[in-house]
Amino acid sequence: QVQLVQSGAEVKKPGSSVKVSCKASGGTFSSYAISWVRQAPGQGLEWMGGIIPIFGTANYAQKFQGRVTITADESTSTAYMELSSLRSEDTAVYYCARGDYGGNSVLGPFDYWGQGTLVTVSS
Amino acid sequence: DIQMTQSPSSLSASVGDRVTITCRASQSISSYLNWYQQKPGKAPKLLIYAASSLQSGVPSRFSGSGSGTDFTLTISSLQPEDFATYYCQQSYSTLRITFGQGTRLEIK
Repeated sequence: QVQLVQSGAEVKKPGSSVKVSCKASGGTFSSYAISWVRQAPGQGLEWMGGIIPIFGTANYAQKFQGRVTITADESTSTAYMELSSLRSEDTAVYYCARGDYGGNSVLGPFDYWGQGTLVTVSS
Repeated sequence: DIQMTQSPSSLSASVGDRVTITCRASQSISSYLNWYQQKPGKAPKLLIYAASSLQSGVPSRFSGSGSGTDFTLTISSLQPEDFATYYCQQSYSTLRITFGQGTRLEIK
């Protein structure tokens, strides 16, 4: 069965960067897109961007353009999300999720999700 | 960006009740609408995709309908395990995937 396993919790200082990994198993990594969705404490879901591993093409939400980089390593079936210039408002649980793609664009729905990675930004 | 507005924001209901949650898009999104259920401390779970298609393994008491700008998620007979937060998501604007703000379903 398909599983997405994310890296562990992180505590970061404001202004630093964090890189979260998402390792896929049980499916064909290159046949899908991987998106990153975050959820601040007590808040809703926010799509940050996604990548189509077979093309290496990444789409980003405008809010995160220039601050987020999403990459994928097909050889290890692992996707990565790096967020820079961290601020306290970036404290959240970050999820990876598998979805479809069309052309060079990441699409939903998201049928499998990672377990989430808590990133805490604090001085 | 396409804005997704859910109503109500919270809802109290009893086991056995029929419940409907509404999601409205700020512009037409055809049927590119998905519904998720999230329980505290857990990742979201896909319930309905393409507005009305039931995801594999999801109980048939869940159903979705709508197209264009107005969509509904219906739970025909609430079960104890259905108390959770529900989110709609549009994937019509592929560079701007957006979620609704969520509907919290609580036990009355």
